[in-house]
Amino acid sequence: GAVVSQHPSWVICKSGTSVKIECRSLDFQATTMFWYRQFPKQSLMLMATSNEGSKATYEQGVEKDKFLINHASLTLSTLTVTSAHPEDSSFYICSTTGSSNQPQHFGDGTRLSIL
Amino acid sequence: LAKTTQPISMDSYEGQEVNITCSHNNIATNDYITWYQQFPSQGPRFIIQGYKTKVTNEVASLFIPADRKSSTLSLPRVSLSDTAVYYCLPSENTGKLIFGQGTTLQVKP
Repeated sequence: GAVVSQHPSWVICKSGTSVKIECRSLDFQATTMFWYRQFPKQSLMLMATSNEGSKATYEQGVEKDKFLINHASLTLSTLTVTSAHPEDSSFYICSTTGSSNQPQHFGDGTRLSIL
Repeated sequence: LAKTTQPISMDSYEGQEVNITCSHNNIATNDYITWYQQFPSQGPRFIIQGYKTKVTNEVASLFIPADRKSSTLSLPRVSLSDTAVYYCLPSENTGKLIFGQGTTLQVKP
């Protein structure tokens, strides 16, 4: 069964709207979760590392004020795309792992379409 | 993080064995090598992981030479449902993964 649950699976909204995506670890406590973005025909791009109880670490070029990450519990991390615009339309994927060097478990992704 | 190089695409036919080789010349001593499979509009799915020599599970085999600068994913007797993008990734202790372009495998009937 699924180890990581991501919600919603898809969302369509108007430009200027803020959208929250949830990532839940179902089988274990996840002190660290990762958020990726994937554009069509491209590979996954790491956006940020979400740390439980502390600030997220963002990759170079990713605006932290645009993509708000909250990891308030060991089983839930949220990514909020603030004031979304059409260029933010993408496939957002989260992942986590039970321990270092163990395979990561990925959510099924969230397809975000901004009109 | 070690950079990886894989063929951009490969074609095969049903029932054939497919071998996808990945180069990771700068792999760190503590890195494992993990392969993932991704179907369109889905998150990547774990296939196999290894450190050295050979690892086999119910879906694939992974061959890693002694110098660990490359690895080969072997898919026995592929079917149409194995059409997907395959990524090889060295994984560091932080769990951080940097995806390369992957290999798009097209299995034909």
